[in-house]
Amino acid sequence: KQEVTQIPAALSVPEGENLVLNCSFTDSAIYNLQWFRQDPGKGLTSLLLIQSSQREQTSGRLNASLDKSSGRSTLYIAASQPGDSATYLCAVDGETSGSRLTFGEGTQLTVNP
Amino acid sequence: AAGVIQSPRHLIKEKRETATLKCYPIPRHDTVYWYQQGPGQDPQFLISFYEKMQSDKGSIPDRFSAQQFSDYHSELNMSSLELGDSALYFCASSFRESSYEQYFGPGTRLTVT
Repeated sequence: KQEVTQIPAALSVPEGENLVLNCSFTDSAIYNLQWFRQDPGKGLTSLLLIQSSQREQTSGRLNASLDKSSGRSTLYIAASQPGDSATYLCAVDGETSGSRLTFGEGTQLTVNP
Repeated sequence: AAGVIQSPRHLIKEKRETATLKCYPIPRHDTVYWYQQGPGQDPQFLISFYEKMQSDKGSIPDRFSAQQFSDYHSELNMSSLELGDSALYFCASSFRESSYEQYFGPGTRLTVT
């Protein structure tokens, strides 16, 4: 059974800092890894998708890397802003395309002005 | 761009009542997923459909059932509601041409009293 772990569970940083969120998964047989953002009581916004054949993806101030063999991914946020405050969730699917996502418990990020 | 639509957005029911949640996937998407997110928890996979056929089943109670219709919308039917069913219910959709990246709807918040 796939298990996804995210470290740290919570993070508080001053505005402008660069930061790294970590995700690890136990079964390396995945098709995709997705990073999501969730604001309190709201839906899930997909930030980045990394296919199993890829090493990293970038979108604006976000960069996600994937080391499939070691079961690890990182989300790097550059020049953090108060608007980045949210919970960030890592999720992996299965070996076949279109399969279910297994989520980590998330990292709750607070960026202080 | 069109997004996943869910209705209703909020639903209040009493114990032992029934509820029906609806999901309208992004046009051309061939796979629909349902997830349940309890308070302070990560989303848990319930069930998925590929081209209107059930493709995977997770930790969905026997009291729940779901189907996908000819127009590709999906419904999650929940009977004999319990207090523990109070949660956010998300629908997501994906398709092959976007590498099966899952796009989530805004969710339906179900409160059982």
